Amino acid sequence: DARVTQTPRHKVTEMGQEVTMRCQPILGHNTVFWYRQTMMQGLELLAYFRNRAPLDDSGMPKDRFSAEMPDATLATLKIQPSEPRDSAVYFCASGLVGHSGNTIYFGEGSWLTVV
Amino acid sequence: KNQVEQSPQSLIILEGKNCTLQCNYTVSPFSNLRWYKQDTGRGPVSLTIMTFSENTKSNGRYTATLDADTKQSSLHITASQLSDSASYICVVSATTSGTYKYIFGTGTRLKVLA
Repeated sequence: DARVTQTPRHKVTEMGQEVTMRCQPILGHNTVFWYRQTMMQGLELLAYFRNRAPLDDSGMPKDRFSAEMPDATLATLKIQPSEPRDSAVYFCASGLVGHSGNTIYFGEGSWLTVV
Repeated sequence: KNQVEQSPQSLIILEGKNCTLQCNYTVSPFSNLRWYKQDTGRGPVSLTIMTFSENTKSNGRYTATLDADTKQSSLHITASQLSDSASYICVVSATTSGTYKYIFGTGTRLKVLA
């Protein structure tokens, strides 16, 4: 059963530390998304890639966040330095966008707590 | 401004009852509309996806409707079960020159009681 895999599932870190979240999209999907979810804001799109090229990262704080896709099987989201307000669930999702019935599949999320 | 508004914010119903969740959007140019179910502590799971020309789409006990003229969608749950307790998120996508924008509603939290 194909699925989006995210690591770590849970992370607690101190303010100022670097955090890297990883995502393995579903094989064959051409689009990968990073979302952040908090109780207050709901789901926010941070960035997304099409065929590994960044298409839109306007939702991402540029000073501390960076998203990359070094190859088709790995997407990363890095926060440096982390702050308490970054505490949230970070979801990776992938899909075959541009095709009919283009469902986007979400991973189970990386739960980040910055203290 | 592209926006997706969902109502109600939360809902409590008894097991076996039906309910309808609403999604109103101001997104242009419209590409498609999705409903997702998100269980607590899990990632969202797609229920339905509807394009401009589709009025109704069903997935088991879930039926989504779309009125592209009034820019409204609804998700109807029939004969609710305890496992339907979750957040239901409406997502509308717009596409311009091959670039997609995904606008999320803040969701409706549904609680089904025995």
